[in-house]
Amino acid sequence: QVQLQESGPGLVKPSETLSLTCAVSGYSISSGYYWGWIRQSPGKGLEWIGGIYFSGSTFYNSALKSRVTISVDTSKNQFSLKLSSVTAADTAVYYCARERISSRHFDFWGQGALVTVSS
Amino acid sequence: QLVLTQSPSASASLGASVKLTCTLSSGHSTYAIAWHQQQPGRGPRYLMKVNSDGGHTKGDGIPDRFSGSSSGAERYLTISSLQSEDEADYYCQTWGTGIHVFGTGTTVTVL
Repeated sequence: QVQLQESGPGLVKPSETLSLTCAVSGYSISSGYYWGWIRQSPGKGLEWIGGIYFSGSTFYNSALKSRVTISVDTSKNQFSLKLSSVTAADTAVYYCARERISSRHFDFWGQGALVTVSS
Repeated sequence: QLVLTQSPSASASLGASVKLTCTLSSGHSTYAIAWHQQQPGRGPRYLMKVNSDGGHTKGDGIPDRFSGSSSGAERYLTISSLQSEDEADYYCQTWGTGIHVFGTGTTVTVL
């Protein structure tokens, strides 16, 4: 069974960089699929942030592109998210997920990590 | 612009059926979508992908009482024999070149 687990600081100061890692078990990232990040602000819906292929090819939400970097570490079977210059509007639960290449839907999700932006 | 529209809420009695709708924006009526369930305090869970012809592919372990269908630009999720654990938010998701879009979600209440 594929499992994804987010980890990282739960509190980030305004203007700093948010960093999260998604550890994947039960499946080798190098075997394929895209790997993505999605967030959910308190009481709100889901917003796609971006994703990465195991080769390192990335694709980002145009609204966040200038602040987002997604990277992959196949040796550790994990991928990471960095979001720079954060504000209170970036406070959200951040999810990582596996995305099917052929049909592009997310088929396995992590349980989520709450990140609060506050001084 | 690729947009998904969902009603904010739906309700039905325990043991009854409920049908949720996800509507694709104009010009995108042939797109497939995926349905995801989010129970209170938990991460989303993939339920199924629904194609424009109504064919659907379920995720691992999804009960038979969850089914999908299509009509024009509308994609449906039907939950039969409604159980208390089905009380959750349900989101539809679709995709285009370099983008992913989610609907605003439907909250299902089991009466």
